[in-house]
Amino acid sequence: EIVMTQSPATLSVSPGERATLSCRASQSVSSNLAWYQQKPGQAPRLLIYGASTRATGIPARFSGSGSGTEFTLTISSLQSEDFAVYYCQQYNNWPPESTFGQGTKVEIK
Amino acid sequence: QVTLRESGPALVKPTQTLTLTCTFSGFSLSTSGMCVSWIRQPPGKALEWLALIDWDDDKYYSTSLKTRLTISKDTSKNQVVLTMTNMDPVDTATYYCARTTTAARAFDIWGQGTMVTVSS
Repeated sequence: EIVMTQSPATLSVSPGERATLSCRASQSVSSNLAWYQQKPGQAPRLLIYGASTRATGIPARFSGSGSGTEFTLTISSLQSEDFAVYYCQQYNNWPPESTFGQGTKVEIK
Repeated sequence: QVTLRESGPALVKPTQTLTLTCTFSGFSLSTSGMCVSWIRQPPGKALEWLALIDWDDDKYYSTSLKTRLTISKDTSKNQVVLTMTNMDPVDTATYYCARTTTAARAFDIWGQGTMVTVSS
C-alpha cells in the first residue's frame, strides 16, 4: 500500500499570507494526486487533481505542483474561508488502491 | 446540478450488517466513464476509500476490507448500495458516497455524509 504523509500536521497562517502544504508518497504516484479541502461538519471538496489541475470553480489562489513522490499545495493569499483541513489522495494504481494522507489543518495565526 | 445523498441507519450493533444507499442526480451511472465510490471517515481521523462501482458494473474494493464489502447499483433508481458485514465499533464513522470519472479519477462531487455508530 502506498502511504501518503502530509506535513505539517498544523499550519498557523495569518490572513493574506501564503500557505504551503506538503504531501509525500512512499513510492512514485506519477501525477495521480488530488487535494481536498474539508471544513468542520462538511464533506471534502475537490480542489486539485492530476497534481496541478484546478477543479471546476476553484479560485486561482489554489495551486498544486509536484510529481513522483513530492507534492505541494499552495494557497497564495489566505482568505478567511480557507481555514480548514486539507487532504492529499493518490490514485496511481486505482482502482483498487487509493489512499489519503492524514491531513494538514490550516488555522488562523 | 450533480448531487449525491447517503441514507442508512445511524446506529448498528456489533456483528450486524450495515446497508447504506447513495441516491444521486444530475448524471447517469450508465454513461461511459462514470463511477461512484464509498469513502469513510472515523471521527477526527482521515479519509479511507472503501469501494467503487463503474458504469460497466465493474466493482472494486479496498484490499483491507474486501471480504466484508459488497457494492451494487440500480441504474433505473440512480442508486448505489454498499453493504458491510460484521460491523465493529472501529467502523464508527461518517460514510460518504462520491462521484468520480475515469477521466479525472478524483472524487469531484461528494454527498453530505451519514454518521454511523456501532455500539451495543
